[in-house]
Amino acid sequence: RKEVEQDPGPFNVPEGATVAFNCTYSNSASQSFFWYRQDCRKEPKLLMSVYSSGNEDGRFTAQLNRASQYISLLIRDSKLSDSATYLCVVNGGITGGGNKLTFGTGTQLKVEL
Amino acid sequence: GAGVSQSPSNKVTEKGKDVELRCDPISGHTALYWYRQSLGQGLEFLIYFQGNSAPDKSGLPSDRFSAERTGGSVSTLTIQRTQQEDSAVYLCASSPGFEPLNEKLFFGSGTQLSVL
Repeated sequence: RKEVEQDPGPFNVPEGATVAFNCTYSNSASQSFFWYRQDCRKEPKLLMSVYSSGNEDGRFTAQLNRASQYISLLIRDSKLSDSATYLCVVNGGITGGGNKLTFGTGTQLKVEL
Repeated sequence: GAGVSQSPSNKVTEKGKDVELRCDPISGHTALYWYRQSLGQGLEFLIYFQGNSAPDKSGLPSDRFSAERTGGSVSTLTIQRTQQEDSAVYLCASSPGFEPLNEKLFFGSGTQLSVL
């Protein structure tokens, strides 16, 4: 089983739609969680951290379910500019004194007119 | 500069040659990461530095790969005797390093390595 698993998609949605992605992780000791966004042929950029209580940033809402070991990202009122690959990132804690940040393979979103 | 800088942006080399990839992190960032991404694939962790030391080298694919960081700043990833399967985008990221479990990574634009 992969450490971090995501549905690769693509998710094709019309503009204005609400879309949700899930990500599961295998290490129950994982400490922190993030969503990154990667545009085609570009570097990943931090979208938002994910907190236990859930957090919202504008049209984006992230949730963490520790019991079931998954995190989710909800995008409301999708824009064409939201088209990208969304990467789930899990920090498995300190190993040998350093962080172990593991990236999922990403979920591709295509927002269409 | 304001962001993470990587050089070269593109590198084409012949199988068997050695290559060096450079990363200049954001000034003041103590943590530095190397990842690689093959076409259509996710990010594969290679190595992590905190200051000049590398607590986690677990991701280096083979002993042909090595990395160093000097002065707590610039890092070099060296691949010896390159193979075609080494072709990928090599991404460097830095983070402030003072929130070990909440580190937010800032990525450079990567080096596209092509081994012919």
